[in-house]
Amino acid sequence: ETGVTQSPTHLIKTRGQQVTLRCSSQSGHNTVSWYQQALGQGPQFIFQYYREEENGRGNFPPRFSGLQFPNYSSELNVNALELDDSALYLCASSLAVEGGELFFGEGSRLTVL
Amino acid sequence: GQSLEQPSEVTAVEGAIVQINCTYQTSGFYGLSWYQQHDGGAPTFLSYNALDGLEETGRFSSFLSRSDSYGYLLLQELQMKDSASYFCAPSGGYQKVTFGIGTKLQVIP
Repeated sequence: ETGVTQSPTHLIKTRGQQVTLRCSSQSGHNTVSWYQQALGQGPQFIFQYYREEENGRGNFPPRFSGLQFPNYSSELNVNALELDDSALYLCASSLAVEGGELFFGEGSRLTVL
Repeated sequence: GQSLEQPSEVTAVEGAIVQINCTYQTSGFYGLSWYQQHDGGAPTFLSYNALDGLEETGRFSSFLSRSDSYGYLLLQELQMKDSASYFCAPSGGYQKVTFGIGTKLQVIP
């Protein structure tokens, strides 16, 4: 167990809706990264937050947005959901040191109908 | 651009040794991590190489050659529980980690 918790674990939305996924980082970790993992694929980097500021972004449109709070918990928001957004969304917390381990939560599985 | 190549599937016998190769092309390369993911589970960290050479952690070893943009993960004394997907993941600094499609390892009796 990594100490990283995500909620909800599963959810179903319809196309066009909005979703908020939450992540509670491991204690003491100041960096959180969000990944999208489609079935049979590797995790794809969405963005990273360090001390409440976005600190890097992958190839995802602006309708994917995030927040990191002073207690280092985090949210991923996705607007105008599309069918292709169906995936496992993984949150990973870490320290801001090179080579540091990413500690992943168990993910939120989103299905868009 | 960025690219990652590793075999999509590997099958090996319990007790044997298997090597999973990875070649990468990425900007701002800092080091190479390896992660393991069982079906339905979260990725878990195995190793990180910042410098050329071999890093050993128990039954697992990882190698990096920065000049060749190449690395490998070596798993020894394979056990059934090693059946999982393995991802090589180059780091662009401060855990901006990129994952490939992964290698699905099947360990057979």
